[in-house]
Amino acid sequence: SQQGEEDPQALSIQEGENATMNCSYKTSINNLQWYRQNSGRGLVHLILIRSNEREKHSGRLRVTLDTSKKSSSLLITASRAADTASYFCAMIHFTGTASKLTFGTGTRLQVTL
Amino acid sequence: DTEVTQTPKHLVMGMTNKKSLKCEQHMGHRAMYWYKQKAKKPPELMFVYSYEKLSINESVPSRFSPECPNSSLLNLHLHALQPEDSALYLCASSQDLDSGRLDTQYFGPGTRLTVL
Repeated sequence: SQQGEEDPQALSIQEGENATMNCSYKTSINNLQWYRQNSGRGLVHLILIRSNEREKHSGRLRVTLDTSKKSSSLLITASRAADTASYFCAMIHFTGTASKLTFGTGTRLQVTL
Repeated sequence: DTEVTQTPKHLVMGMTNKKSLKCEQHMGHRAMYWYKQKAKKPPELMFVYSYEKLSINESVPSRFSPECPNSSLLNLHLHALQPEDSALYLCASSQDLDSGRLDTQYFGPGTRLTVL
């Protein structure tokens, strides 16, 4: 399976703290993305990092990518209650005729006041 | 307009029913996708359409039949489903698939399907 593994499976923190989620994958990728999903809803794209990039920032988000270790991390700084959601890494694989998006197992983040 | 819409939001059907899920986007995207998501699991790719042609079928049972009538619409026809097919069905779109230029996918809110 090309599915990525994420840890932790669940994370509970207080508002203002930082949250770090890790993603490991098995095969080579073109790029890696992170998505957020509020309970039972559609996914929202957060950030994309290409295979030749090592770090990327967007607002309170910081993503790193280590292709030698086949791993990525998502850091959310100064978390807010509204950040409560499930977070998925997603790997892009180009097959030659089409590209496929394969999601990691997800981290459920709970931010309490 | 960066919205992908899906109808209906909820659907309850019996195992002998025929129903359809609908997805629409007006972003000019030429790639559209169907995903299935079970509770507390990640989305799993079912089908990919590129320029209105089926590009990827992830060995989905024939009781699920996708259709792309035009570049803005994507349907998923359902027939003789099983209770284990109950899930959240998500539609997504992206700019195109040429040369691996697959970037952001925009997801709809999903259709919550229950098969009795």
